[in-house]
Amino acid sequence: GAGVSQSPRYKVAKRGQDVALRCDPISGHVSLFWYQQALGQGPEFLTYFQNEAQLDKSGLPSDRFFAERPEGSVSTLKIQRTQQEDSAVYLCASRQSRGRITEAFFGQGTRLTVV
Amino acid sequence: QQQVKQSPQSLIVQKGGISIINCAYENTAFDYFPWYQQFPGKGPALLIAIRPDVSEKKEGRFTISFNKSAKQFSLHIMDSQPGDSATYFCAASSYNKLIFGAGTRLAVHP
Repeated sequence: GAGVSQSPRYKVAKRGQDVALRCDPISGHVSLFWYQQALGQGPEFLTYFQNEAQLDKSGLPSDRFFAERPEGSVSTLKIQRTQQEDSAVYLCASRQSRGRITEAFFGQGTRLTVV
Repeated sequence: QQQVKQSPQSLIVQKGGISIINCAYENTAFDYFPWYQQFPGKGPALLIAIRPDVSEKKEGRFTISFNKSAKQFSLHIMDSQPGDSATYFCAASSYNKLIFGAGTRLAVHP
């Protein structure tokens, strides 16, 4: 597809359940980002990949959050033992360049609800 | 602390009017300042962006004004239309991650 694709669009998880969120970036985009957007707030940075290398994971809120991009394309954000405070929209973005900032394209997000 | 402060939180404008949203930042290392538009259920989409070596950038009805010394930048939407009703986020970046403001919910009334 032409844009960033995320799946699933919606996920309801019971507290304590593990979840995996998928991101298919735009083909050829080197950089990939995950953001968390709480209701009524701006997106907050979670982690950044350049190809398969995770260069910045400073925004991951706890060790329950784990992200990977093993082949430098598709990425998965995994949340273990979900808590209610994890309920948010998780956005993935990709960018063509690795250096100076150019436009980042966002997917539609995965809305996670922990009950 | 890296932070971007955005105001107002919400804005109501009549059709044809000018919408103005303001942002302020603290980190002088920021070198890229985009504005994103987000509709309900959608991801943010880039509207317009500026680098600190220019004071103004205009694209159609959208203009960014940038004041480097004051560490402030603003978005002006001229001739606002009901279709502009959305949430707008300013952001700032240095090399990698974007730091977003809290957002402004704009409603343009016909």
